[in-house]
Amino acid sequence: GQNIDQPTEMTATEGAIVQINCTYQTSGFNGLFWYQQHAGEAPTFLSYNVLDGLEEKGRFSSFLSRSKGYSYLLLKELQMKDSASYLCAEGNTPLVFGKGTRLSVIA
Amino acid sequence: DARVTQTPRHKVTEMGQEVTMRCQPILGHNTVFWYRQTMMQGLELLAYFRNRAPLDDSGMPKDRFSAEMPDATLATLKIQPSEPRDSAVYFCASGLGGNYGYTFGSGTRLTVV
Repeated sequence: GQNIDQPTEMTATEGAIVQINCTYQTSGFNGLFWYQQHAGEAPTFLSYNVLDGLEEKGRFSSFLSRSKGYSYLLLKELQMKDSASYLCAEGNTPLVFGKGTRLSVIA
Repeated sequence: DARVTQTPRHKVTEMGQEVTMRCQPILGHNTVFWYRQTMMQGLELLAYFRNRAPLDDSGMPKDRFSAEMPDATLATLKIQPSEPRDSAVYFCASGLGGNYGYTFGSGTRLTVV
């Protein structure tokens, strides 16, 4: 089975950096996904980590530690449009999501 | 851009009526998921298919929900009879997994009154 934990809500200031953590417990690891979901819209794919370390994609980076069952999503130079929910999911099929972290970016 | 198409976008129905939601996955994607999203529960997996074969529907209330994939271009989710507690947004997603991720459709917002 899978158990995924994320903080429920976070608030950060425009231009700042924010780190959204995700811990997971799984019987068989198959990578870690991050998705972004704006209110009223569908989730969109952000990143996939299968090896330990940091993967950078522009302002967004994702980190994985398989031994610790831990991942984080790092958002730099925050913009108002980054206000959304961020969902972590362990990559076993079926894909099971955490409850998501609602990020509010304030001026 | 290739996209997952879901119909209808919105559905309001009376309790007890049958509801059918449709999904056209992206051509070539071998895995299709159905999810339900509510504020309280987040994204819940209902069912999924690989190469059109149903692999897991343990998340669905079996007495009223059914999911099928009659061909590679169509997945359906039916609720019969519908109940007010079924009100939610239902998403379909398709993909190949791994670095390719999974692509979600725009969802069907279902309201059962």
